[in-house]
Amino acid sequence: GAGVSQSPSNKVTEKGKDVELRCDPISGHTALYWYRQSLGQGLEFLIYFQGNSAPDKSGLPSDRFSAERTGGSVSTLTIQRTQQEDSAVYLCASSRAPRKSTDTQYFGPGTRLTVL
Amino acid sequence: QKEVEQNSGPLSVPEGAIASLNCTYSDRGSQSFFWYRQYSGKSPELIMFIYSNGDKEDGRFTAQLNKASQYVSLLIRDSQPSDSATYLCAVNGNKLVFGAGTILRVKS
Repeated sequence: GAGVSQSPSNKVTEKGKDVELRCDPISGHTALYWYRQSLGQGLEFLIYFQGNSAPDKSGLPSDRFSAERTGGSVSTLTIQRTQQEDSAVYLCASSRAPRKSTDTQYFGPGTRLTVL
Repeated sequence: QKEVEQNSGPLSVPEGAIASLNCTYSDRGSQSFFWYRQYSGKSPELIMFIYSNGDKEDGRFTAQLNKASQYVSLLIRDSQPSDSATYLCAVNGNKLVFGAGTILRVKS
């Protein structure tokens, strides 16, 4: 079966512009996660969606960041008025059973965002 | 104290040797533990997970868990140059938390 897909794979934008990043999770996975990984750094949790529940937005670094998940499947992460410090790889992951301690996240290939 | 700590490395081992990667965590309620491998420029991929104290073996990989010491490790036997990557430890308590990763370099 298909894995997690993300688009675009690379995005170069100018400071101040808005960008949208897309994630398509594995079919049947109810949970979807967004992470950010800066060069040489670990994974920084951004936001988590589970089914129809309110998302866990506790990791969003500022109100310029928002995300939505339509129809319980595809998710879009939007960054408004991008800044150079937003440059990073944005990774999406999905999982089947987030309420179980055995739940495993599977990652997409990421979107590399460069803000000039 | 970080929730999940790993030595950033790089850890250098010769080809054929055993590579030992270590991870400590702060949440005593953590229930499951994962090791991901991340090649440069690629996304993390799951290697293995462990839930119970002791060892779990999968091919050349062995995960070791000691909940009393809040310590989890990954051993890679017969290390190959293709094992050179960053290894991420992830710990699941209320949520999955990742360490910053250890860079492993296997020299041929």
